Parts: sequence; structure tokens; C-alpha cells
Amino acid sequence: DIVMTQSPDSLAVSLGERATINCKSSQSVLYSSNSKNYLAWYQQKPGQPPKLLIYWASTRESGVPDRFSGSGSGTDFTLTISSLQAEDVAVYYCQQYYNTPSTFGQGTRLEIK
Amino acid sequence: EVQLVESGGGLVQPGRSLRLSCAASGFTFDDYAMHWVRQTPGKGLEWVSGISWNSGSIGYADSVKGRFTISRDNAQNSLYLQMTSLRAEDMALYYCAKGVTYYYDNNVYFDYWGQGTLVTVSS
Repeated sequence: DIVMTQSPDSLAVSLGERATINCKSSQSVLYSSNSKNYLAWYQQKPGQPPKLLIYWASTRESGVPDRFSGSGSGTDFTLTISSLQAEDVAVYYCQQYYNTPSTFGQGTRLEIK
Repeated sequence: EVQLVESGGGLVQPGRSLRLSCAASGFTFDDYAMHWVRQTPGKGLEWVSGISWNSGSIGYADSVKGRFTISRDNAQNSLYLQMTSLRAEDMALYYCAKGVTYYYDNNVYFDYWGQGTLVTVSS
């Protein structure tokens, strides 16, 4: 199985500042035939299920604010929140869907400093 | 509005069985693969099983293969997970999740999730 490792495990950022979360896969999730990275990001707030934010590593899901962006390719990926809002406090997960079984990172807890 | 509502969780003894259900609405159910994903504080999020739109292909995590059976009833817009020989390590919050394509093993990310149903395995 592909192992997904996120860093850091937790992060505290001031309101209005940038937050950056990293995700590394144990093997490439870039499919050469279509040049797509099979990587998604989710946000999970307390007491709620995960919510899809980004897929194909950088495509924002409909309705997701544009302060959320995804980047990276191959084995290294980043979720960036350009200007942290109070409602962004959550745990964030990356997920690879290059292989079955699809696997998730361990999560990064984002808090307000 | 897409809604996924799980039910059937509860307290069960090790070695016993439980059947989870997921009632779907707000989308054309038989146009999409469906999945079960579980979450524990210790192991995080784990894909458990997926089923293609017409039940023609099915997959399981190695941890549940041979013990869990996924099924769907497109006429009832429902997804099921029959869990047998339950173990302590199966204790988790089980989510029903909607796939984005017809096939369970193609582009396996999830655009909608239910609120989850809690399975507790304890004597």
C-alpha cells in the first residue's frame, strides 16, 4: 500500500496569515499517461465528516473558497490556505487514489495562534 | 442536496455480526460507486470497501477481506455493509461515502460523506 505522511502533525497560525500543510507519498501518484496526480485533500471539523477540498492535487471542489490551493507533483504535495480564517480550524487529510486501496495521511491539526 | 444517512451501528461482542446501512438521496444513486470508510483515533481514516454502480465489481481492504460484505440496492438507493467475526480493531466510526465515477477502483476519492455510524466491539 502507498503510505501517506503529512507534516507537521499540528500547526498554529495567526488569523490572516498563510498556512502550509505538506503531504508525501511513499511512491509517485503521478500517472504518466494523463499527467494527473491522484491526490485529494479533505477538511474535517469537529463532529463532522471529512469534506472534499481538492482533487487531482490542485483542482478545487465546487464551493471551496479560493484561499485554499493545492500544489505539488509525484510524491510531494502541499495544501496552502492563503489567509487563515477562524472557520478553517480543522484537521486536514491528504489521500492518494493512484492505487487501490486508497490511503490517507495521518492528518494535520490546524489551530489559531 | 446530497444526503447519506448511515444506521446500524452499536455495541457488539467480539466474534458477532452487525449490518450497516446507508440511505442515499439527492443524486442518481446508480450512476456512482459507493464506499465505506472508517475512522479511529489511532489509525485515522481507512478505506474499507467499495462497490461499483451495478455491483459488478467490489473491493475490500485486506483487514476486512473475508469477514465483511458490501452490497447495494439501487432500487432502494441503499448501501450495506455486512460485518461478521468482528474484532476489537474493527471498532470505529463508519462512514458511507460517494464515489465520483461508476467504478469503485477508478478515481477513488469521495465528494460526499455521511455523518457516520459508530461500531463498538467489546465484551
